[in-house]
Amino acid sequence: NAGVTQTPKFQVLKTGQSMTLQCAQDMNHEYMSWYRQDPGMGLRLIHYSVGAGITDQGEVPNGYNVSRSTTEDFPLRLLSAAPSQTSVYFCASSYSGQGYKQYFGPGTRLTVT
Amino acid sequence: EDQVTQSPEALRLQEGESSSLNCSYTVSGLRGLFWYRQDPGKGPEFLFTLYSAGEEKEKERLKATLTKKESFLHITAPKPEDSATYLCAVTDKLIFGTGTRLQVFP
Repeated sequence: NAGVTQTPKFQVLKTGQSMTLQCAQDMNHEYMSWYRQDPGMGLRLIHYSVGAGITDQGEVPNGYNVSRSTTEDFPLRLLSAAPSQTSVYFCASSYSGQGYKQYFGPGTRLTVT
Repeated sequence: EDQVTQSPEALRLQEGESSSLNCSYTVSGLRGLFWYRQDPGKGPEFLFTLYSAGEEKEKERLKATLTKKESFLHITAPKPEDSATYLCAVTDKLIFGTGTRLQVFP
């Protein structure tokens, strides 16, 4: 199993540009989440999904969209990038049968100039 | 308001010098508390889940304990390879603490 994969690993955007961060898992997990990690702020939940077709907002959802058309994929879209969205983004998946322990991807480091 | 607070923010230990990391939480209806380890430039890696007060879990030099208000991660005789940031989180709410950055020197 590849586990949780994220692409790209690094990205630089200009203010106002849009892009999609990709996340995929091959463990058939029903739960998937997106976090951002900033120095001194810890991991903060952006959006999450409890299954295909079902998504909900986390703590910091503004400026981001998600959709979940399949169990495997959970892309995160930045609609109009802002410097405040400079961060490291992590995708995670989990399974109720394993007590919801999360498996994290390697992260995407995004810089918005 | 649900909150998870970790202390200390950073901890420097000599190899073999045991210590504890603290995670205190205020959440309504705790359904599980997680500990993760995060190495620089990588995603967090699962260590333990604790569900009820009094529960303990162990893995190598690490032992996690849980009370009604806090959890401790005890590190016994740490080695340099234990250097990492340790994160705790509460389930359901998916709230993480800001972590403790541990450095172990030979």
